[in-house]
Amino acid sequence: GQNIDQPTEMTATEGAIVQINCTYQTSGFNGLFWYQQHAGEAPTFLSYNVLDGLEEKGRFSSFLSRSKGYSYLLLKELQMKDSASYLCAVRDSSGYALNFGKGTSLLVTP
Amino acid sequence: DADVTQTPRNRITKTGKRIMLECSQTKGHDRMYWYRQDPGLGLRLIYYSFDVKDINKGEISDGYSVSRQAQAKFSLSLESAIPNQTALYFCATSEGGGAGPQHFGDGTRLSIL
Repeated sequence: GQNIDQPTEMTATEGAIVQINCTYQTSGFNGLFWYQQHAGEAPTFLSYNVLDGLEEKGRFSSFLSRSKGYSYLLLKELQMKDSASYLCAVRDSSGYALNFGKGTSLLVTP
Repeated sequence: DADVTQTPRNRITKTGKRIMLECSQTKGHDRMYWYRQDPGLGLRLIYYSFDVKDINKGEISDGYSVSRQAQAKFSLSLESAIPNQTALYFCATSEGGGAGPQHFGDGTRLSIL
């Protein structure tokens, strides 16, 4: 099975940097995804890591350490519109579906 | 137009009723999925399909059934709805081979009284 943990809530200030952590224990590993979800809306894909290291995409970066079962999502130059839930999801070695964490609700304040 | 379309967007119904939620996609993806999302529980997989002839149960399939009518269409049925099936339901798609991300529809908010 899969066990995916991420903080429930975080608060950060507009313009700042925030790091959202995700730890996982899985029966096999075939990639880790980060999604953004605004309240009542669909999750939207942010990033994908399958190898160790940092993936950068504009203001958003994601890091993976497979040996530690650990990932983080880094958001720079925070904007008010970044207030949302951030979902960590792991695909196991079967490769068919994603197992989601419960999400981290991020509030960006002025 | 949305690439993954769910209908209806909102539905209120009574216990014991049969309900069908529909999903259609224009992305040309082989793989389709149904999830439900509950506050504090995250997204949980109900059923998934790799192609028209392939249907598989997910983590929480009891009380649900699905039909893959075509590559582009995947419907979820609740044969006899019960209140604890009240949730936000999402359909998702991904390319064959599964290497890429899943793309989600806008969701169906279902309330069972």
